[in-house]
Amino acid sequence: DQQVKQNSPSLSVQEGRISILNCDYTNSMFDYFLWYKKYPAEGPTFLISISSIKDKNEDGRFTVFLNKSAKHLSLHIVPSQPGDSAVYFCAASDGGSYIPTFGRGTSLIVHP
Amino acid sequence: KAGVTQTPRYLIKTRGQQVTLSCSPISGHRSVSWYQQTPGQGLQFLFEYFSETQRNKGNFPGRFSGRQFSNSRSEMNVSTLELGDSALYLCASSFGGPSTDTQYFGPGTRLTVL
Repeated sequence: DQQVKQNSPSLSVQEGRISILNCDYTNSMFDYFLWYKKYPAEGPTFLISISSIKDKNEDGRFTVFLNKSAKHLSLHIVPSQPGDSAVYFCAASDGGSYIPTFGRGTSLIVHP
Repeated sequence: KAGVTQTPRYLIKTRGQQVTLSCSPISGHRSVSWYQQTPGQGLQFLFEYFSETQRNKGNFPGRFSGRQFSNSRSEMNVSTLELGDSALYLCASSFGGPSTDTQYFGPGTRLTVL
């Protein structure tokens, strides 16, 4: 039973446009959410996080939105660049368990 | 600051053999977590070690084990390998733990079981 779901295995976007990657979760105990980016032959790299006390967090071109009532979060990349082409993983955890649960990833391709 | 290193990067084994993977965390990090990544399942948590003690364990059989040394380096062992163990094994280190601190991942060890 997947507690963190990334329903879109892939996403294709034109350079300069907005990329929106979505993530849904089922465990209401999750209170901390992260996004990681992974290039081929490399380990995932932390991108941005958000605590459940917030509904938005920004870092440069990357913004994460959290909708707790819908148990949904999204990552917005504006503007998208070809170097953003990678697999993006959403992860969630609750402070008590220390075990983050990852989604299966969404492969983003940004076309020049 | 040097990143997380994993050795070896690639490994080919046959069914029934055992394998040991190594991970050196970022200096000062006391938490080391291990993950298995497969195309169908994404990243799945194996276990986490903190100050030489296994603090958390995922839902994997006992064939998967690990340990952490006093210098925070960690090893993961898989005994009696099965074809389904073919995967990318990722190690991640953090200062306090994966739930509250940013994890830094190594490049992974690609294990192929024939």
